[in-house]
Amino acid sequence: DAGVIQSPRHEVTEMGQEVTLRCKPISGHDYLFWYRQTMMRGLELLIYFNNNVPIDDSGMPEDRFSAKMPNASFSTLKIQPSEPRDSAVYFCASSRSEGDTQYFGPGTRLTVL
Amino acid sequence: GQSLEQPSEVTAVEGAIVQINCTYQTSGFYGLSWYQQHDGGAPTFLSYNGLDGLEETGRFSSFLSRSDSYGYLLLQELQMKDSASYFCAVREDTNAGKSTFGDGTTLTVKP
Repeated sequence: DAGVIQSPRHEVTEMGQEVTLRCKPISGHDYLFWYRQTMMRGLELLIYFNNNVPIDDSGMPEDRFSAKMPNASFSTLKIQPSEPRDSAVYFCASSRSEGDTQYFGPGTRLTVL
Repeated sequence: GQSLEQPSEVTAVEGAIVQINCTYQTSGFYGLSWYQQHDGGAPTFLSYNGLDGLEETGRFSSFLSRSDSYGYLLLQELQMKDSASYFCAVREDTNAGKSTFGDGTTLTVKP
């Protein structure tokens, strides 16, 4: 299996622009997670899905952030408008079932100027 | 809510044994996981404890005491490649799909 795939790997944008991060989970995994990692706040769970349905979005920082999972093989995390404080590494992870091992993608390093 | 505490940094020499502790406070508890993350890389799963006791996987072992809200990761026969950050993560029993991560422990292995 190719593992969790994320794109782009690096994104540099200017404040106010829309940013869309993409994730393809491992085939057959029912759970998908979006995390954000910064030096200041560590690794934070933003939102997770089960069978394409959002289960817990309590970690989404504010209305500028939104996530969708239109099908079992694709999810997006959108930031609109982006701000410099959104600069971070965003990881997508998937797991086969509830509580099972989470497999992380390589991450997207986002820089907002 | 929940909180986890682990040391920020640990240093050890090649071939030695090191223990990374993790204490947690949570309203409900389902299990404790450990992840490794090399600089610039993604977290990768190392071990999981759902019940009290020791789980062994090669050079790595993880221990859990639910009554003490405490666990540790034990790394034996340290190698230079073990230099990385190690995170403990708690799953709540009310929301077992969700894991809350500690701030991580940076392990430096010296020759």
